[in-house]
Amino acid sequence: GDSVTQMEGPVTLSEEAFLTINCTYTATGYPSLFWYVQYPGEGLQLLLKATKADDKGSNKGFEATYRKETTSFHLEKGSVQVSDSAVYFCALINDYKLSFGAGTTVTVRA
Amino acid sequence: DTAVSQTPKYLVTQMGNDKSIKCEQNLGHDTMYWYKQDSKKFLKIMFSYNNKELIINETVPNRFSPKSPDKAHLNLHINSLELGDSAVYFCASSQTDHTVRNSPLHFGNGTRLTVT
Repeated sequence: GDSVTQMEGPVTLSEEAFLTINCTYTATGYPSLFWYVQYPGEGLQLLLKATKADDKGSNKGFEATYRKETTSFHLEKGSVQVSDSAVYFCALINDYKLSFGAGTTVTVRA
Repeated sequence: DTAVSQTPKYLVTQMGNDKSIKCEQNLGHDTMYWYKQDSKKFLKIMFSYNNKELIINETVPNRFSPKSPDKAHLNLHINSLELGDSAVYFCASSQTDHTVRNSPLHFGNGTRLTVT
């Protein structure tokens, strides 16, 4: 079946550092790919999405590009802030079935 | 306006009790879900309902019973609560008809259940 693998955390960074969270997937057909963010004490929010190969999703300074050749959807942000501290989940939906990665906890220090 | 709302936000109860968590969505979505998030943040799907019909029922103890009175509501009732049921439970919804392929899920803010 479909699956999502994302880098394990926790990840600790200083403010203004560059953030990359790796995500790779296994799926048949043409899944859509997502990144969700969960801030402390809150639910999951959709951060960005990409629905086909080479699409780039972007939001709040975060970007991820749907790479079919490497089956990847890595999340990047050029300069993180303390407010970016959260758990980030990579996910895919394929034929209405959702698969989540295990989540990566990111802590940004001032 | 809250798109997916669930109540209560916190629920503290003793072992053996029965409790319910309510969920409502005002997005007009046709599919609703319950997820369980453990202490390591891992998300596990429990149930999914499409237009009031159960379509996903993962390996969940039968003490957990979802009920969908209409497509905007999916409640979760838990009988004979156990310590291991302590977790955060998230409700979610999405549109899964053929006109909106692979649409994202929208999540509620979670219910933190603590069983003592």
